[in-house]
Amino acid sequence: RKEVEQDPGPFNVPEGATVAFNCTYSNSASQSFFWYRQDCRKEPKLLMSVYSSGNEDGRFTAQLNRASQYISLLIRDSKLSDSATYLCVVRPFTGGGNKLTFGTGTQLKVEL
Amino acid sequence: GAVVSQHPSWVICKSGTSVKIECRSLDFQATTMFWYRQFPKQSLMLMATSNEGSKATYEQGVEKDKFLINHASLTLSTLTVTSAHPEDSSFYICSANSQGPNSPLHFGNGTRLTVT
Repeated sequence: RKEVEQDPGPFNVPEGATVAFNCTYSNSASQSFFWYRQDCRKEPKLLMSVYSSGNEDGRFTAQLNRASQYISLLIRDSKLSDSATYLCVVRPFTGGGNKLTFGTGTQLKVEL
Repeated sequence: GAVVSQHPSWVICKSGTSVKIECRSLDFQATTMFWYRQFPKQSLMLMATSNEGSKATYEQGVEKDKFLINHASLTLSTLTVTSAHPEDSSFYICSANSQGPNSPLHFGNGTRLTVT
C-alpha cells in the first residue's frame, strides 16, 4: 500500500461546479497535512495546511479524519484557473526532519 | 512570503557532462534545504536533505557520489548531477522551511534537466 494515495483523475468539471478530492495515508502517526497545487511543468505551491478541526480558505475547504486516515479538499465555484494537479502531502512525525511524503496528485480540469 | 529561487530553470546537456543546480533562500536563512526529483506523472521523491556546514543526508537508493550536494551558506545549496545520463533526465526541485521544521515547505521553481 502506498504511503499516500490519491485518485489520479482527471476530474473534468464545468466552471462553477463544486468538486472534492480525497486522499488516504497509511501511517497513523502522521502529524502534519497539506494540500499543494502543481501546475504543469511547475513547482508545487502550498494551497493550505489541513488542521484537525477542518479549515476553510475562501472557496477551499480542507478536512482531516484521523480515525479513517483520510484528508479531503473541497473546491466550490470552480474557476478555469483552478485547473491543476492537487497534491496531498503528509509529514510522518512531528519535527521528523521534514520528510514529507507526496501523493501522485489528482488532476482537475475545469471547463467552460 | 518566503521565496526560494532555483537556477537554471531548464538545462539540456550531453551524456557524461555534469550539471550544477543552485537553490537560494531569498528572504530567510535555511539551515536545511531539501532536494526532490519528479519524473513525469509520478510523485515528488525526496533525494536528500542538505545541511548547512555538514554532509547531506541521502535517501535510500540515491547515489551520493552521483548527486553531490553542497550547502556552504545559510542561503545557498547546490546539487551537482555528475556524469549525467539520459535516465537522470527529470524535474529537480529544491525546498526549504522559513518558519521551522513543522511549517510547510516552500519550493524553488524547479530545474528541468534533459540529458541527450
